[in-house]
Amino acid sequence: NAGVTQTPKFQVLKTGQSMTLQCAQDMNHEYMSWYRQDPGMGLRLIHYSVGAGITDQGEVPNGYNVSRSTTEDFPLRLLSAAPSQTSVYFCASSYSSASEYEQYFGPGTRLTVT
Amino acid sequence: AQKVTQAQTEISVVEKEDVTLDCVYETRDTTYYLFWYKQPPSGELVFLIRRNSFDEQNEISGRYSWNFQKSTSSFNFTITASQVVDSAVYFCALSGPDKETSGSRLTFGEGTQLTVNP
Repeated sequence: NAGVTQTPKFQVLKTGQSMTLQCAQDMNHEYMSWYRQDPGMGLRLIHYSVGAGITDQGEVPNGYNVSRSTTEDFPLRLLSAAPSQTSVYFCASSYSSASEYEQYFGPGTRLTVT
Repeated sequence: AQKVTQAQTEISVVEKEDVTLDCVYETRDTTYYLFWYKQPPSGELVFLIRRNSFDEQNEISGRYSWNFQKSTSSFNFTITASQVVDSAVYFCALSGPDKETSGSRLTFGEGTQLTVNP
């Protein structure tokens, strides 16, 4: 069981470039989500998905797109990178969207936008 | 709206000291869940514990213990006889129903950086 995997681990982009952060889980979890972690702000939810074909916005969705074509994969796309998107990005999955289930996190992607 | 406050941004202790990390939460829901996660220097987030709003029993797991008090909306985490390997950022989180989506919403505190010095 690999759990939740993310690629790449590190990325540097120039302002205006686009890219996709990959996330995959092998636990057959229904619920997947993307967070960004910034100093002193904890983790903030960007987008989430309660199942294949269903996605929704979280707290800070602007500048990001997601899709969920399969249960396993949940890529996060940066449309036109901005320095404000410099952050550490975590993908997470959970058995379901119900409150009681803990989330399992990937190792994170450290993104720098210059 | 949900809110989690971890007022201690950084704590530094010497090995073998006991240390308590504070967590205060706000919610209007009657059913909710509280979590603690650990983020070691390697960066991944590790689940430590879950508590539901109806279970106020304290929990102990080895050197870790958790004190949940609904009367003060707190869910504090104590490490007894701290070790260098306990150095990490610790996050408290609150999960409750999201009425807009019929799912749930997980809200994290800002995190507490714990440094245990030898």
